[in-house]
Amino acid sequence: DTQMTQSPSSLSASVGDSVTITCRASQSIGRFLNWYQQKPGKAPKLLIYAASSVQGGIPSRFTGSGSGTDFTLTISGLQPGDSATYHCQQSYSIPYTFGQGTKLEI
Amino acid sequence: QVHLQESGPGLVKPSQTLSLTCTVSGTSITAHYWSWIRQPPGKGLEWIGYVDYGGTANYNPSLKSRVTISLAPSKTQFSLNLTSVTAADTAMYYCAKGDPGMDVWGQGATVTVSS
Repeated sequence: DTQMTQSPSSLSASVGDSVTITCRASQSIGRFLNWYQQKPGKAPKLLIYAASSVQGGIPSRFTGSGSGTDFTLTISGLQPGDSATYHCQQSYSIPYTFGQGTKLEI
Repeated sequence: QVHLQESGPGLVKPSQTLSLTCTVSGTSITAHYWSWIRQPPGKGLEWIGYVDYGGTANYNPSLKSRVTISLAPSKTQFSLNLTSVTAADTAMYYCAKGDPGMDVWGQGATVTVSS
């Protein structure tokens, strides 16, 4: 299985700040990397697919980059509603696997 | 607008079979990939498997001997069956559409395995 490791596990930031979350794959996955936002008690929401493509309806404040084994999700101009847990997921090889999640507190 | 809704028993006894259904509206079930994902309380997400628009399924090897995902004959539902459940299968179960990115999710169904 391809192991996905996110860092940090949690972070705290202020309104207006920018933050970057990192996701590292245990083997190369090309650009088959997706990012999700999950708020407490809710289902995950797709933010970014194929490493850098922004899902429809997602603000441009959310940007993804990377390829191979190293990927990042950057959120700029943080808003209170961005408080959530962020998950990366590889869809290169079965079984699809998720990172352990990064909890962002605003 | 595409909408997914999970349904099924919230309590399953150990050693029995967990069965969930995902009802799809707003799109054709024969046009996309359909996944099941679970999340144990306080833990991360685990991909269980998917069935494609033609009915071909792929599973997580860790569950492969116990899981079946299939399209229902109604063409508006797909299902999850997980046999021989234990307490470790207690989780929120989500159905979702799409591959590679899962762009529409159901609200989730809580399943507890307990006698």
